[in-house]
Amino acid sequence: GENVEQHPSTLSVQEGDSAVIKCTYSDSASNYFPWYKQELGKGPQLIIDIRSNVGEKKDQRIAVTLNKTAKHFSLHITETQPEDSAVYFCAACTGNQFYFGTGTSLTVIP
Amino acid sequence: KAGVTQTPRYLIKTRGQQVTLSCSPISGHRSVSWYQQTPGQGLQFLFEYFSETQRNKGNFPGRFSGRQFSNSRSEMNVSTLELGDSALYLCASSWRDRGQETQYFGPGTRLLVL
Repeated sequence: GENVEQHPSTLSVQEGDSAVIKCTYSDSASNYFPWYKQELGKGPQLIIDIRSNVGEKKDQRIAVTLNKTAKHFSLHITETQPEDSAVYFCAACTGNQFYFGTGTSLTVIP
Repeated sequence: KAGVTQTPRYLIKTRGQQVTLSCSPISGHRSVSWYQQTPGQGLQFLFEYFSETQRNKGNFPGRFSGRQFSNSRSEMNVSTLELGDSALYLCASSWRDRGQETQYFGPGTRLLVL
């Protein structure tokens, strides 16, 4: 089956700096890569996703890049704010099969 | 549209008891997946239901079971609870767009087994 690795497990940045979280996957059949943000006491919230026929997607301060050849994808958050502090999960998916990374705890220091 | 709802939000049980958790998906979504989330293990897939049929199953013992009703609402049941079953149980509903499911999570049910 698919194996998704996510790094780093924890990340601290100063407010206003950028944050990058990286994931690798093993199954070349995976064709959909969502990112979720989970705040304390809440369920994961879908924040951005990308399909395998696209290399990059942006939504305001967040962007995701995908390198299918190398089988890795990354989440980029620019101009970080304290409210970006949360746990972020990546996933690699095929159809209805979702495989999640182990999460990155992001702390934005004011 | 209303999001995914899960009830109850919090639950305390003792070892050996059983528990039933409920999930109402987003209107129009026909697939419901269940995950167990613990600090050490991350998100572990339990099972997925589509049109009242279990479509996928993770590697959990038979004490964990689920079902889906004709209105797409789903329940999961854990029998003979163990201390290790303490976790956040997440439900996700999904819809298919251009051949790919997109999942949306509920707030979860936090289960504590004493």
